[in-house]
Amino acid sequence: DAGVTQSPTHLIKTRGQQVTLRCSPKSGHDTVSWYQQALGQGPQFIFQYYEEEERQRGNFPDRFSGHQFPNYSSELNVNALLLGDSALYLCASSLIDEQFFGPGTRLTVL
Amino acid sequence: QKEVEQDPGPLSVPEGAIVSLNCTYSNSAFQYFMWYRQYSRKGPELLMYTYSSGNKEDGRFTAQVDKSSKYISLFIRDSQPSDSATYLCAMSLYNNNDMRFGAGTRLTVKP
Repeated sequence: DAGVTQSPTHLIKTRGQQVTLRCSPKSGHDTVSWYQQALGQGPQFIFQYYEEEERQRGNFPDRFSGHQFPNYSSELNVNALLLGDSALYLCASSLIDEQFFGPGTRLTVL
Repeated sequence: QKEVEQDPGPLSVPEGAIVSLNCTYSNSAFQYFMWYRQYSRKGPELLMYTYSSGNKEDGRFTAQVDKSSKYISLFIRDSQPSDSATYLCAMSLYNNNDMRFGAGTRLTVKP
């Protein structure tokens, strides 16, 4: 079992650009959640996808959007990047209860 | 006041010591409580998952939940240098729901 995988590992963008991050859930998991983790902080919930629909959303602006595909993989899109968007972006997958995290994508906005 | 409070440390202990990590929270509706371990530049790894009050043991790890005090703890027995990491507490209102995390406690276990 490959576990949760994310791509790319690292990404550098400039302010105003757009970025797409990708996540493949653990085998058998149908729910994907995205979190943002700033340096020295705990992860903050962005949103959760289930059955290709956004089921729940945290306190993040509309610049953050997502998608879930029929194979349960997911994308996180961020438009009009700000310096403050620099963080580790974590994807977590789950089936019933426990959420398992991927290694994250480190985004740097210059 | 933050919804979940966790002392960031750093905490340094000798190998073999018993480690106590704690979090307090303000929302009495939380029902699910988790502890994650995060190594530097890696994703969080689930250690313990508990529902409601009480104790849960798994090997060298014991998780305690006291809902009346809104306080959770993680104990690590016979700590090892490989336990050196940041420990994150997390909690949620419902099962498989958005988790609210503490800021994490950085632990170093010295040989």
